[in-house]
Amino acid sequence: DADVTQTPRNRITKTGKRIMLECSQTKGHDRMYWYRQDPGLGLRLIYYSFDVKDINKGEISDGYSVSRQAQAKFSLSLESAIPNQTALYFCATSGKNTGGWGQPQHFGDGTRLSIL
Amino acid sequence: QKEVEQNSGPLSVPEGAIASLNCTYSDRGSQSFFWYRQYSGKSPELIMSIYSNGDKEDGRFTAQLNKASQYVSLLIRDSQPSDSATYLCAASLTGGFKTIFGAGTRLFVKA
Repeated sequence: DADVTQTPRNRITKTGKRIMLECSQTKGHDRMYWYRQDPGLGLRLIYYSFDVKDINKGEISDGYSVSRQAQAKFSLSLESAIPNQTALYFCATSGKNTGGWGQPQHFGDGTRLSIL
Repeated sequence: QKEVEQNSGPLSVPEGAIASLNCTYSDRGSQSFFWYRQYSGKSPELIMSIYSNGDKEDGRFTAQLNKASQYVSLLIRDSQPSDSATYLCAASLTGGFKTIFGAGTRLFVKA
């Protein structure tokens, strides 16, 4: 079984709909992240959470919200989807820093989201 | 705005050759660096981490770090067609609280 599981894997929906993407992990990591990836733009950070009580905006948080329901679960919501939110979305996790040294991130398989 | 820059490619090499992928970063305080491989439509997969100046080897992969020049590279020896993918360079910013990803370099290995 995958260490970082995203659901759904694919979703097609209409403008204005509310959408939730879910992420769960069995790696025991405290840190979880949501990214979107668009062709030619690389990975862009939407939100990140360092523990259940800690939620932080990334570089492109407008139009998105998140919920950290438990250490292992981090969900991303699009309250009113618009076509330019069509993208590939990834959840990732990482362990705590050690002495200021960032740890690598481990990615789920992604959700391909299309908004018509 | 902290950045990680990579040549988008595509970089094309013949099978069996050495592929050299390069990356520069802007945050002089970055301490941790990562290379990920991403096949089309798939998720990024960690292939190398490097934290100290110099070379780090793992199988056919060698990561090189030069903090003075703010430069990271990945060498792939004996390149195989299965190495054809996009390679993402990432740097963990000062303090290790955030990681910035480059847009990736596409590599094609010709059989």
